[in-house]
Amino acid sequence: AQSVTQLGSHVSVSEGALVLLRCNYSSSVPPYLFWYVQYPNQGLQLLLKYTSAATLVKGINGFEAEFKKSETSFHLTKPSAHMSDAAEYFCAVSDRSGGGADGLTFGKGTHLIIQP
Amino acid sequence: EPEVTQTPSHQVTQMGQEVILRCVPISNHLYFYWYRQILGQKVEFLVSFYNNEISEKSEIFDDQFSVERPDGSNFTLKIRSTKLEDSAMYFCASSEQGLSNQPQHFGDGTRLSIL
Repeated sequence: AQSVTQLGSHVSVSEGALVLLRCNYSSSVPPYLFWYVQYPNQGLQLLLKYTSAATLVKGINGFEAEFKKSETSFHLTKPSAHMSDAAEYFCAVSDRSGGGADGLTFGKGTHLIIQP
Repeated sequence: EPEVTQTPSHQVTQMGQEVILRCVPISNHLYFYWYRQILGQKVEFLVSFYNNEISEKSEIFDDQFSVERPDGSNFTLKIRSTKLEDSAMYFCASSEQGLSNQPQHFGDGTRLSIL
């Protein structure tokens, strides 16, 4: 069974600073990987996805993530944090062999706090 | 941009009662999903649905749960006899073709509170 680990349940950065949210997966076959963001009282919004094309993936709102097979990681970054980035961020994986009907496996989420 | 809509946003129900959570997936999507998130825990997959039948289900999706597409637009999750531990946020999602490399689009969720 797959699992996703997000290091740090809370990450606090200053406005304008680099954002780094960590995600590691455990799977013998690299899965498809997704980052979702959840703003207060809203659903999960797709930020970006990795589906085995380029290893550096650009998403919405200036976020990007790099797939590193050797480290089984898919960390999310943004060069300069904005107050509006404060939200909960979820890393999720989809098993290539299982087909989309299997559903996504999510990490526990990281709450991003932006300090003014 | 088309979106998944869920109703109600908050449902309060007495333990033992039946509850139905409703979702309208994106209109051209063919695969539908339910997830739940117990407060402070991970988002967990419950069930996927395609062509009017369940495609996959997790261990959580036991006999008290059922899903249905009663018409061409709605997708429902029924919990037959609710328990305190069913209190959670329930998310509906849909995807265009159900391929594992396709993103799923989520609704805003229904917060279910069991008293």
